[in-house]
Amino acid sequence: ETGVTQSPTHLIKTRGQQVTLRCSSQSGHNTVSWYQQALGQGPQFIFQYYREEENGRGNFPPRFSGLQFPNYSSELNVNALELDDSALYLCASSLRAGDYGYTFGSGTRLTVV
Amino acid sequence: EDQVTQSPEALRLQEGESSSLNCSYTVSGLRGLFWYRQDPGKGPEFLFTLYSAGEEKEKERLKATLTKKESFLHITAPKPEDSATYLCAVQAEAGTALIFGKGTTLSVSS
Repeated sequence: ETGVTQSPTHLIKTRGQQVTLRCSSQSGHNTVSWYQQALGQGPQFIFQYYREEENGRGNFPPRFSGLQFPNYSSELNVNALELDDSALYLCASSLRAGDYGYTFGSGTRLTVV
Repeated sequence: EDQVTQSPEALRLQEGESSSLNCSYTVSGLRGLFWYRQDPGKGPEFLFTLYSAGEEKEKERLKATLTKKESFLHITAPKPEDSATYLCAVQAEAGTALIFGKGTTLSVSS
């Protein structure tokens, strides 16, 4: 059984650019959530996808968008990057909205300069 | 507003010195309370889920307990490899998101 894998592990972008982060969910999991974790803070919920539909969103602007594919993998897209977007981006997968817990990936460290 | 507060922010222990971490929460109907361990630069690693007041779960040197207002993570005779940040999160009945606290950073020295 494979866990949650995220790519890339590290990324440096310039302010104003766009970025796409990728996540492969754990085998058998149909729900993917994305979190942003700033240094020294707990993860903050961005949004969640269940069977390719967004079914929950946190307090993030529309320039944060996502997709879930038929194989339940997912992408997080961020447009018009700002310096404050620098953070660890975490993907978590689960069965049906976390009924059986969430498994997190190791994250993508995004630095915006 | 749903909220999680963890204390202390940092805790230094000697190897073998038992202690407890606190997670206080307010949530509109608790669906579950989660404890995770996070090592530097890594994603959170699942430890426990608790669903109702009075519930307890154990794993090696860790024991988690739950009341209607807070949860404790008890660490018995810790070892240096227990050094990490411990995160607490809640999920509301009607919500999908996990709401995390800022975590407690535990350092255990030999």
